[in-house]
Amino acid sequence: DGGITQSPKYLFRKEGQNVTLSCEQNLNHDAMYWYRQDPGQGLRLIYYSQIVNDFQKGDIAEGYSVSREKKESFPLTVTSAQKNPTAFYLCASSTPKRTGGYTFGSGTRLTVV
Amino acid sequence: GENVEQHPSTLSVQEGDSAVIKCTYSDSASNYFPWYKQELGKRPQLIIDIRSNVGEKKDQRIAVTLNKTAKHFSLHITETQPEDSAVYFCAALSGGGADGLTFGKGTHLIIQP
Repeated sequence: DGGITQSPKYLFRKEGQNVTLSCEQNLNHDAMYWYRQDPGQGLRLIYYSQIVNDFQKGDIAEGYSVSREKKESFPLTVTSAQKNPTAFYLCASSTPKRTGGYTFGSGTRLTVV
Repeated sequence: GENVEQHPSTLSVQEGDSAVIKCTYSDSASNYFPWYKQELGKRPQLIIDIRSNVGEKKDQRIAVTLNKTAKHFSLHITETQPEDSAVYFCAALSGGGADGLTFGKGTHLIIQP
């Protein structure tokens, strides 16, 4: 799957529930990113991590949390504090010098029920 | 931070005609400009990119031009085909590069038969 795998493909969340989206890469990339995609909004950055055990907030971090305990993995938790979580979530990775741009995962579509 | 504007939001062209999508950026230190194609429900795929030391780059029917003075770059698709129908995103990497790519809001390209 292009070296970066997201799971699950579809996820349903009940009100007040936390859910975790998985992102795993075997590209040996140092940097990993989480984006949210809404119709007409493009891709908006939620969190990013340049190295293991370090991550930074993006433009819309409120209601989300991440961890980076391993180079290969960058899971995203959508907490109950995120009031409008229904969206398409994309994970990406890149080399430090970004010589080839990003490699994207296939995405997770999250729906609140 | 960087701000990327993309126009138009929707572009409809006849099959065989050319399509042009334009983007502007705000950070004069930005040095890397990729373009991504995203088909419905799928991940964005890198189709072409350009660095700030180059004015134009071509790959078969696709070309990208960069005007650093005006801070804008454009995607040109010639001899359009039905499989070119998709959403296209431009992006810019600011000089610091620490927080990753900033994306435009996307252009929905429709190829009319």
